[in-house]
Order: sequence, then C-alpha cells, then structure tokens
Amino acid sequence: SQELEQSPQSLIVQEGKNLTINCTSSKTLYGLYWYKQKYGEGLIFLMMLQKGGEEKSHEKITAKLDEKKQQSSLHITASQPSHAGIYLCGAGGRNRDDKIIFGKGTRLHILP
Amino acid sequence: DTGVSQDPRHKITKRGQNVTFRCDPISEHNRLYWYRQTLGQGPEFLTYFQNEAQLEKSRLLSDRFSAERPKGSFSTLEIQRTEQGDSAMYLCASSFYMGYGYTFGSGTRLTVV
Repeated sequence: SQELEQSPQSLIVQEGKNLTINCTSSKTLYGLYWYKQKYGEGLIFLMMLQKGGEEKSHEKITAKLDEKKQQSSLHITASQPSHAGIYLCGAGGRNRDDKIIFGKGTRLHILP
Repeated sequence: DTGVSQDPRHKITKRGQNVTFRCDPISEHNRLYWYRQTLGQGPEFLTYFQNEAQLEKSRLLSDRFSAERPKGSFSTLEIQRTEQGDSAMYLCASSFYMGYGYTFGSGTRLTVV
C-alpha cells in the first residue's frame, strides 16, 4: 500500500519568514492533494497536483509535484499567523475516484 | 450550500455504550467518505459510499462499526460497545464521482471514558 512521509513533523517559524514542507511517497503519485487543518477542526482543501513538474499557487502558498511524481513540496512565502495549523498531503490513486490516503501532517507554528 | 455538516461536534460516552454520528454531505455530491483521526496522526480511511452503496471498507472498520447511507443523502456511523481506543476525531467528507478532492466536515470528536 502507498505510504506518505511528511517532513518536518513540526515547524516553528518567525512571522514573515519563508518555509517549505515536503511530502514523499513510496509509490508514484497520480493525484497529490494538500489540505490545511486548524487544530480540532476539519480539513480545508488547498490544491491538487497531477502532472509531473506541475506547480500551483494560491495567495502566498505554492505547491509543486516533482518530475518523477514521488515527491511534492509546499512553500509558504512571508508567513503570517493565519498560516498556522496542520498541513496534510494526500495521495489519490491512478483513477480520480480512488480514495485519498493521507500523511501524518506537519504542524506549523508562527511566532509573532 | 452549507458544506458538509457533522453532528454532534463532541460526544463523551462511557465504555461499552453505543454511539451514532451523522453526516450531511453537500447535496450534489454522490460520494461520501468516513475517516478517523487520532492525535498527532493524519486521517485514516474507514469507508466510502457512492450514492447508497458502500463500496469499500477498511480493515480498521471492525465488526463493532457500521455505516449506512440509506437514501444516498446523509450517512450515519455507529460504534457499538465503545472502547477507549475508539476515542478519536471522526471526519466525514463528500465529493463528486471523478471529482477533484473532497470537502470535509468539521468532524465529531469522540471521547470514551
């Protein structure tokens, strides 16, 4: 079965600094999803990547899927307190309707 | 469209009691998923429905767990004879068939004492 490893497990950054979170898969990624979760709440969809080399941005968050489609990175520019939370990567299967399997998450704390 | 609703938000129960959670998906979505999340872990897949048909169940879903989606709209997840290990956040999500990503509800936090 596919496994996703996220690094780092937790991250503390000063407000205004840039940061990167990585997600590495044990198998080829056909659909890679990034979600954000506030502590004790549900998941909020950020973006989805499908093609090797694909890059998407939403506000100050950029996600990339590497050419070999086994790793994705999430980059936040000029972090703000609102970026704090848990970032989860999820992998779909070869078919778009396959269930999503999630990594354990990266806990991000922003220091004012 | 009010998104995916889950009820209750919090449930505290004594070990051995039965509990039932409800999920109301986005009305146009024909797929509904249940996940369980424990502290410090990512969501773990439990089961999913396409309309009223339950298409897949995880091995995590023991015989004490049962899920239904009787009319292809809302879904219920029942846990019988709860154990302390059942304490977790239970998340529901919905999507279009062949859609992009899921919309999650806020979850039901279960504490078994």
